[in-house]
Amino acid sequence: AQSVSQHNHHVILSEAASLELGCNYSYGGTVNLFWYVQYPGQHLQLLLKYFSGDPLVKGIKGFEAEFIKSKFSFNLRKPSVQWSDTAEYFCAVNALGGNNRKLIWGLGTSLAVNP
Amino acid sequence: DGGITQSPKYLFRKEGQNVTLSCEQNLNHDAMYWYRQDPGQGLRLIYYSQIVNDFQKGDIAEGYSVSREKKESFPLTVTSAQKNPTAFYLCASSLYTDEAFFGQGTRLTVV
Repeated sequence: AQSVSQHNHHVILSEAASLELGCNYSYGGTVNLFWYVQYPGQHLQLLLKYFSGDPLVKGIKGFEAEFIKSKFSFNLRKPSVQWSDTAEYFCAVNALGGNNRKLIWGLGTSLAVNP
Repeated sequence: DGGITQSPKYLFRKEGQNVTLSCEQNLNHDAMYWYRQDPGQGLRLIYYSQIVNDFQKGDIAEGYSVSREKKESFPLTVTSAQKNPTAFYLCASSLYTDEAFFGQGTRLTVV
């Protein structure tokens, strides 16, 4: 069965620290990849997405992610986090090639940034 | 403005009662989804629909029911058969395999 694994459940950083959140998926075919963010009290919103082309994608608020096909990974990065980045981050994968179009979600990573 | 509207934001239900959560979208999306979000468990798919008058069970469909009579609407009924219904429910829609757009959610509490 297809699955998405987020390596870190809880991350605590100080402001200006660098961030990398891991995401791996299990599916051998073509995928669309997404990172979503849920700020406290707000709805889930898209950070960035990868469909094809340059495997390094840039999203909102200085976030970027790199798709490494050989490692089935789509890690999220930010060079310098801010207190306002405190949120829950979800990786999601859409496995293409079948009739199923549903997104497969990771369990999420809770990020707390200390000022 | 285009988007997804979930109502109500907060809902209280007595044990043994059915309750229906509303989800409406004006994005002209074909696919709609219902998720349940519990702390530490991420988003778990309850039901999804890729086209009007068709829907499929997700990973935790027991105790829930849905309908998709209109493209814009995908209501979720939490039945009395759902053993642990207190949760945060999220509705989403997407255009085929593109990104999903989410509503603000409904927090259901059983009292």
